Amino acid sequence: KQEVTQIPAALSVPEGENLVLNCSFTDSAIYNLQWFRQDPGKGLTSLLLIQSSQREQTSGRLNASLDKSSGRSTLYIAASQPGDSATYLCAVGGATNKLIFGTGTLLAVQP
Amino acid sequence: EAGVAQSPRYKIIEKRQSVAFWCNPISGHATLYWYQQILGQGPKLLIQFQNNGVVDDSQLPKDRFSAERLKGVDSTLKIQPAKLEDSAVYLCASSLDWGVEPQHFGDGTRLSIL
Repeated sequence: KQEVTQIPAALSVPEGENLVLNCSFTDSAIYNLQWFRQDPGKGLTSLLLIQSSQREQTSGRLNASLDKSSGRSTLYIAASQPGDSATYLCAVGGATNKLIFGTGTLLAVQP
Repeated sequence: EAGVAQSPRYKIIEKRQSVAFWCNPISGHATLYWYQQILGQGPKLLIQFQNNGVVDDSQLPKDRFSAERLKGVDSTLKIQPAKLEDSAVYLCASSLDWGVEPQHFGDGTRLSIL
């Protein structure tokens, strides 16, 4: 059974700092890994999608890496801003696009 | 393009009552998903539709939950009778197809059971 773990559960950083969020999964037979952002009272917004054959994806200040063999992914946020404050969720995708989510990292960026 | 629409946004009911949620996916999206998100946890897939057929409902508590997508467009999720542990946010998502496609989420329905 696939299990997804995110560390840390919560993180508080000063504005401008670079930070890394971690995601690990137990079964390497995945089709993709996705990172989402969730603001309070809102649904999920897709940030990055890495296909199983890829090693990383970048979008603006965000960079996500994937190491299937070790069951790990990281989300790197450069030059953090208060607007980046949210919960960040990673999810692994199977053949039918079924997603299994981690419990998320709650990020607070202090101005 | 318009996003995934869900209603109602909030619902409060007593245990053993019934409740229904509605979802209208992005136009042209063949795949529709219902997730349950309990406070402090990540979303859990309840059911996945491809057009009006069910792809995966392995985690749907079928003794009390039901869902349909009769015309392959909008969908309803029903709980009958509700239990205290059903208190959660119910999220609907859609994607263009069931392959490696980004899922687009609605804002969810927050359900509180008294």
